[in-house]
Amino acid sequence: DIQMTQSPASLSASLEEIVTITCQASQDIGNWLAWYQQKPGKSPQLLIYGATSLADGVPSRFSGSRSGTQYSLKISRLQVEDIGIYYCQQASSAPLTFGSGTKLEIK
Amino acid sequence: QVQLQQSGTELVKPASSVKISCKASGYTFTSNYMHWIRQQPGNGLEWIGWIYPGNGNTKYNQKFDGKATLTADKSSSTAYMQLSSLTSEDSAVYFCAREDGTYYYPYGWFAYWGQGTLVTVSS
Repeated sequence: DIQMTQSPASLSASLEEIVTITCQASQDIGNWLAWYQQKPGKSPQLLIYGATSLADGVPSRFSGSRSGTQYSLKISRLQVEDIGIYYCQQASSAPLTFGSGTKLEIK
Repeated sequence: QVQLQQSGTELVKPASSVKISCKASGYTFTSNYMHWIRQQPGNGLEWIGWIYPGNGNTKYNQKFDGKATLTADKSSSTAYMQLSSLTSEDSAVYFCAREDGTYYYPYGWFAYWGQGTLVTVSS
């Protein structure tokens, strides 16, 4: 199985700050990576797919990048509504696997 | 618009089975893979498997082989997941999620999710 190592586990940042979350894949997954945001009691929401493409309706302050097998989600100017838990997910091969999540809070 | 409406909360006894549903609307049910994902309390997301309603083909995470059975009813555009031999470990929220892409070119990510079904296993 492909392991997705996500960091940090939690993050506290100020409004308007730049936030970066990373995922390291245990093997090559190409651009087969997605990022989700989950708020308490809700379903995950797709933010980024194909490692770098913004999902419909997602604010442009979210962006995704890739360097080899390391993937990053960047929030350029943190807003209050961005609090939640963020997950990466590899879609390269079954079983599909998720990172362990990053809990983002406002400082 | 695409909607996935899941069945309600289940309280079930250990060693029993439960079948939860996911009714799809707003798209052609038989044209997209439907996946099921588990989230245990306070934990992350685990992929259970998928079903392609167009032909009934399924694929499971080996971890859930024998635990989960996926089916689909084309006439009602509803996907089902049956969980058997339940233990406290199976207490979780279960999501259905529609995969983007096509049968021969699935993308593997999910723009549409059900609201989740809480299953609690307790005597």
